[in-house]
Amino acid sequence: DTGVSQDPRHKITKRGQNVTFRCDPISEHNRLYWYRQTLGQGPEFLTYFQNEAQLEKSRLLSDRFSAERPKGSFSTLEIQRTEQGDSAMYLCASSPTRLAGGKATQYFGPGTRLLVL
Amino acid sequence: QQQVKQSPQSLIVQKGGISIINCAYENTAFDYFPWYQQFPGKGPALLIAIRPDVSEKKEGRFTISFNKSAKQFSLHIMDSQPGDSATYFCAASVNQGAQKLVFGQGTRLTINP
Repeated sequence: DTGVSQDPRHKITKRGQNVTFRCDPISEHNRLYWYRQTLGQGPEFLTYFQNEAQLEKSRLLSDRFSAERPKGSFSTLEIQRTEQGDSAMYLCASSPTRLAGGKATQYFGPGTRLLVL
Repeated sequence: QQQVKQSPQSLIVQKGGISIINCAYENTAFDYFPWYQQFPGKGPALLIAIRPDVSEKKEGRFTISFNKSAKQFSLHIMDSQPGDSATYFCAASVNQGAQKLVFGQGTRLTINP
């Protein structure tokens, strides 16, 4: 399978604990995105990387959230001191900078569903 | 200005009918408008996408209609099938998708057999 993979698929944690999620993008894609999706809503942008550089962070990304892509391949998203409001699906997507047709399609992984008790 | 508004929230269509989902945007800098399909427990999957220099794009049973002056675009699913039952999201981006996607709120589509 050469799609975007995410690990773990599900995570249950207690409020106040730290959690870390991993995303492995499609191998030739140099852009990697993180989104958060709550029940019944569309995904909301959190941050994105081009190679190892973090180019944009949303205002949604509080100081408790940090993302890295140290070697320009996989990425991690860490949430410190989790709160119940952090419960959501965390989606990763990757894309090339451009496709031959001029569009940079984003391909999504299956997501990590987080439940904070 | 970054919002994309999607309607309806939910839609029930009989098998073989036409499903129509509408989206509107404000930011005239958007230049890439994809539609994603999402099944429960899965990530969104690209269905079809359009650029604003085209008024219509068709791929199989799926058609996007785009009205640049009205800042609106819609997804039409012809001959709707029970397997099309899913949540559909419109989205928009600048720089032809090479930056963040701004998603609509989603439409839960149910196709009755």
